Amino acid sequence: GQQLNQSPQSMFIQEGEDVSMNCTSSSIFNTWLWYKQDPGEGPVLLIALYKAGELTSNGRLTAQFGITRKDSFLNISASIPSDVGIYFCAGPYFGNEKLTFGTGTRLTIIP
Amino acid sequence: DVKVTQSSRYLVKRTGEKVFLECVQDMDHENMFWYRQDPGLGLRLIYFSYDVKMKEKGDIPEGYSVSREKKERFSLILESASTNQTSMYLCAIAHEAMINEQFFGPGTRLTVL
Repeated sequence: GQQLNQSPQSMFIQEGEDVSMNCTSSSIFNTWLWYKQDPGEGPVLLIALYKAGELTSNGRLTAQFGITRKDSFLNISASIPSDVGIYFCAGPYFGNEKLTFGTGTRLTIIP
Repeated sequence: DVKVTQSSRYLVKRTGEKVFLECVQDMDHENMFWYRQDPGLGLRLIYFSYDVKMKEKGDIPEGYSVSREKKERFSLILESASTNQTSMYLCAIAHEAMINEQFFGPGTRLTVL
């Protein structure tokens, strides 16, 4: 299947810090999605992006659909303990309805 | 609230056993999916179904089959479980018009000994 490169693989931050992660693909995507998975649970959709260049916010989360359609970014501002989990990017690469998922970014907050 | 339930949270089976994983939804969505999740590999699609009795292979269908006899229920079957099928299995659903915005169940962690 299609590969999505997600970085970083893991992050260790202190509460209150801002977080940035990104996802890149070798192929064009027409939709980018960001999911979060809490420990022991299934992923939950955070943000969906449908247009190149689109910038969308959901509370402290902001995501962008890259202008080349081959990348996307997720930022979390002022992190709090409940932000801990694994963040996945996903998208159906152009011409395919099946979702491809990134390998995930594991976020840990250091007390 | 969207409700996707999976029959077990944890399951332990022996090599060679036939294993059934069940997924039930209460949203009347057409599309249902089965993924497996392994560390460092993200989520990989095994099979999906866009209607009753319809199924399509995903990226890694080998060793698995599926059944969708009713709209609300999608079963994943391991005909003869093997140790390399030890994994977290996730069911997801999506509306026909929004196939990419998927809602996931809590997952079943399967261990094959």
